[in-house]
Amino acid sequence: KAGVTQTPRYLIKTRGQQVTLSCSPISGHRSVSWYQQTPGQGLQFLFEYFSETQRNKGNFPGRFSGRQFSNSRSEMNVSTLELGDSALYLCASSPSEAGGTQYFGPGTRLTVL
Amino acid sequence: QKEVEQNSGPLSVPEGAIASLNCTYSDRGSQSFFWYRQYSGKSPELIMSIYSNGDKEDGRFTAQLNKASQYVSLLIRDSQPSDSATYLCAAETQAGTALIFGKGTTLSVSS
Repeated sequence: KAGVTQTPRYLIKTRGQQVTLSCSPISGHRSVSWYQQTPGQGLQFLFEYFSETQRNKGNFPGRFSGRQFSNSRSEMNVSTLELGDSALYLCASSPSEAGGTQYFGPGTRLTVL
Repeated sequence: QKEVEQNSGPLSVPEGAIASLNCTYSDRGSQSFFWYRQYSGKSPELIMSIYSNGDKEDGRFTAQLNKASQYVSLLIRDSQPSDSATYLCAAETQAGTALIFGKGTTLSVSS
């Protein structure tokens, strides 16, 4: 089975712009979670989607949003980018509706200048 | 604020030794725990999951869980230089759909 895929792998944006990141889960996985990883804060949970519904949201400002499509693919959007949004954004998928093991994609490295 | 705490290290062990990595968590409602390995510049890779008190072994890796003490550990036997990485401990939230991660312990295995 193919793993979780994320596009693009690298992205450079300037402050004030917006960005959309994409994630395709492992085939058959319906739960998709997003995480932000920075050297200072580590891995932090952004949100989780299951069957196109956001079930859980982390402590991030409203500039961070996401959605999930009927084929379980997910996108996250960050509007009005700030320098502090520079990070590795990781998507993870899970086969279980009830949570459990999450498998991570390679991540998108976002740099905000 | 639900938290997972890990010693950041670095933890240095010689090749062939046992590496012991520890983690504590604050949410008593957490039922599932995970250890991930992350090489520099790569994404986290699952090593083990553990759900019940006691030990769980998989090859050279043994995870231990003590819910009363809110403590999770990972033992790596016969450590190899290829085990040099950052090890992330994660606890599933009570809601069951989010993982809370520790900041990771950096392990260095010298040959």
